[in-house]
Amino acid sequence: NAGVMQNPRHLVRRRGQEARLRCSPMKGHSHVYWYRQLPEEGLKFMVYLQKENIIDESGMPKERFSAEFPKEGPSILRIQQVVRGDSAAYFCASSPPRARRTEAFFGQGTRLTVV
Amino acid sequence: KQEVTQIPAALSVPEGENLVLNCSFTDSAIYNLQWFRQDPGKGLTSLLLIQSSQREQTSGRLNASLDKSSGRSTLYIAASQPGDSATYLCAGPHGDYKLSFGAGTTVTVRA
Repeated sequence: NAGVMQNPRHLVRRRGQEARLRCSPMKGHSHVYWYRQLPEEGLKFMVYLQKENIIDESGMPKERFSAEFPKEGPSILRIQQVVRGDSAAYFCASSPPRARRTEAFFGQGTRLTVV
Repeated sequence: KQEVTQIPAALSVPEGENLVLNCSFTDSAIYNLQWFRQDPGKGLTSLLLIQSSQREQTSGRLNASLDKSSGRSTLYIAASQPGDSATYLCAGPHGDYKLSFGAGTTVTVRA
């Protein structure tokens, strides 16, 4: 059973471009969480999704950021019109339907650099 | 709201010395606490998960304790090795599904 897969591992975007980060949860996991780690800071919760539903997006910036977890395919975190302050590591985690949801498995992260 | 603090931010020790990493949290209704390892530019590796019913959890040279009454957890790494050099993060639940992370302790073990 492969772990949580995130791609790309590294992403460089110019200011104003769009960034798309993908996360494939572990097999059988239906809950996906995105966290952001700014330089020298701990991880901060962004959004919690189940298949086709956003459960909690309280940690997402109100503008330019969106997330989805479609019925088929990976979860996508989309950042429009990126700015330098979006440079960070973005981590995805997943958990199975009947487990305690804070006992999630984390991916390797996508490191976004905005130039 | 669960706030997690880790002190010190950085630690440098000679090889062979025991490591003691501290984590404090504000919500004593915590039902578990996790310790992770993060290598530079890499992802998170889960080290230990302590349930609130446990006082400690051990894996090899690692031992983590949890004291809910004082709002503290400690990660002990015995007989440190250069390969233990990494950033260690602790995380406590904030509600049913969010994790609140500390900023981490960056450990350097000198050969």
